[in-house]
Amino acid sequence: GENVGLHLPTLSVQEGDNSIINCAYSNSASDYFIWYKQESGKGPQFIIDIRSNMDKRQGQRVTVLLNKTVKHLSLQIAATQPGDSAVYFCALKSGNQFYFGTGTSLTVIP
Amino acid sequence: GAVVSQHPSWVICKSGTSVKIECRSLDFQATTMFWYRQFPKQSLMLMATSNEGSKATYEQGVEKDKFLINHASLTLSTLTVTSAHPEDSSFYICSAGLQYEQYFGPGTRLTVT
Repeated sequence: GENVGLHLPTLSVQEGDNSIINCAYSNSASDYFIWYKQESGKGPQFIIDIRSNMDKRQGQRVTVLLNKTVKHLSLQIAATQPGDSAVYFCALKSGNQFYFGTGTSLTVIP
Repeated sequence: GAVVSQHPSWVICKSGTSVKIECRSLDFQATTMFWYRQFPKQSLMLMATSNEGSKATYEQGVEKDKFLINHASLTLSTLTVTSAHPEDSSFYICSAGLQYEQYFGPGTRLTVT
């Protein structure tokens, strides 16, 4: 299968600070990347995506950066809030398959 | 838009029985649906890819005779765990794909006693 990894399994940030979650991948043919948020006992929820012809995309309080040279993907959350506490997965699409990273558990400290 | 539902959300069954989990795309038609399994504090593990009207494609190591997948329509796929055992206890999640996007259901927690 695809090799998708995350640099840190857990991340704690102070409320109001910015969070950065990183992801590395190995398949240079991947053309679509997604970040998902999963709260305990629920299915993953789409946050933001980016296609391989872009290197940055912004949403509401979130930014995804894609560096194809080093095969690195990051999710930045601005002004992190307690409701952002969850596990975050990166995923990439290669062919017709989606491959998921192992997840980073984000804890926001009030 | 793009809502995916699963039923049931939680099921407890005895060893040896079979359990059926339904995955429905509520407001769109999905030619492809995916079934995942997730253990606590781990990532999603793809079990199989289900295409409407054809046989599912199973990932290596997933027993197709134990995890029966039926994708009878563009809005419904079912996963049946046959002769369930305690080691089958897990969180099962489906997703329905459009061209690029993939939308997840809320998951079904299966507990086999």
